[in-house]
Amino acid sequence: DADVTQTPRNRITKTGKRIMLECSQTKGHDRMYWYRQDPGLGLQLIYYSFDVKDINKGEISDGYSVSRQAQAKFSLSLESAIPNQTALYFCATSDSRLHTGELFFGEGSRLTVL
Amino acid sequence: GQNIDQPTEMTATEGAIVQINCTYQTSGFNGLFWYQQHAGEAPTFLSYNVLDGLEEKGRFSSFLSRSKGYSYLLLKELQMKDSASYLCALMDSNYQLIWGAGTKLIIKP
Repeated sequence: DADVTQTPRNRITKTGKRIMLECSQTKGHDRMYWYRQDPGLGLQLIYYSFDVKDINKGEISDGYSVSRQAQAKFSLSLESAIPNQTALYFCATSDSRLHTGELFFGEGSRLTVL
Repeated sequence: GQNIDQPTEMTATEGAIVQINCTYQTSGFNGLFWYQQHAGEAPTFLSYNVLDGLEEKGRFSSFLSRSKGYSYLLLKELQMKDSASYLCALMDSNYQLIWGAGTKLIIKP
């Protein structure tokens, strides 16, 4: 089983619908992140959380919200999906005790907004 | 501001050596990462450099020159499974990662 699990893996939805992407981890890491990846662009940080009570906006947070329900769970919501939110979304975790800051990624959630 | 540049695509031959370059501009620096990403899959960690010099790990090595804002990933004895995108990422003064767009490496027999 994957240490960082994302659901759903694929989703097709319509403009205006509310979508939630969920991420859970069994690595015991304190830090969690949501990224989106578009062809030809680098990974872009949407939101990140350094612990359960900590939520921070990334570089492209508009149109998204997050919830850190527990140390192991971090969900991403699109309140009213629009076509330019069509992308591959990755959840990632890291351990603040590791000086390298290495990220461990989930398998990705491919979202298509029609 | 911050900027990372790496070539969009490179082609190499199985068994050969390839060097993927990454140049960056930043006001604060806390390390440089290389990740490998196979098509449709998650990125996986390859290397981390925070001091100048070469870090070797098996067939893969990563080099950093902070004064030149330059890093490279060196892949030796290329195998077909090395066909992937290679992502350069800079950790800035706020310990946030800034990602390059990635270099797609195509390995030919």
